[in-house]
Amino acid sequence: SQQGEEDPQALSIQEGENATMNCSYKTSINNLQWYRQNSGRGLVHLILIRSNEREKHSGRLRVTLDTSKKSSSLLITASRAADTASYFCATVDNYGQNFVFGPGTRLSVLP
Amino acid sequence: GAGVSQSPRYKVAKRGQDVALRCDPISGHVSLFWYQQALGQGPEFLTYFQNEAQLDKSGLPSDRFFAERPEGSVSTLKIQRTQQEDSAVYLCASSSTGFNEKLFFGSGTQLSVL
Repeated sequence: SQQGEEDPQALSIQEGENATMNCSYKTSINNLQWYRQNSGRGLVHLILIRSNEREKHSGRLRVTLDTSKKSSSLLITASRAADTASYFCATVDNYGQNFVFGPGTRLSVLP
Repeated sequence: GAGVSQSPRYKVAKRGQDVALRCDPISGHVSLFWYQQALGQGPEFLTYFQNEAQLDKSGLPSDRFFAERPEGSVSTLKIQRTQQEDSAVYLCASSSTGFNEKLFFGSGTQLSVL
């Protein structure tokens, strides 16, 4: 079963706009990670945020974590056509024994 | 190696055939994971190794699925008597330690059972 649930399922924006994707989960976590997957390829790690962190930045990526609401968001600023991909959140529980991916958000950035 | 390598890239099997999927993780990575990904879905956990020990196989869908990592490096996922519902992409990932660190994924093996 999948713990993380991304929202929206699909998102289409114009180049230069910002893209925001959300992830909700059910149980306590040790950390939450975001991954990107281009069509026909494996997943690539983007960013990891630990349960005691509230916000993290990496280049054009900004991730927030609200453990009280059991939710996270991924913001991609100034999007590019090359950002077109599926984005997945993955949660790791406090025992480090369960690494669960959500169904993903399919992002299309139109030139 | 430079990254996680999976072979074959594509596999077509007739229903009832046995298949073996190979994963060569990043050199020195202790942990190795197998995931199954259906079209348009997120990866579903199958099994996890720490070195040669299979610590969790709770995600394997049936006893037709078997995974091994005998020397703590290369891993093989074997599916016996394949069924059409086994058609999916099988992803392998490795990490230097375990669940609390990021995973490095291979490109996957796309299995089609006819």
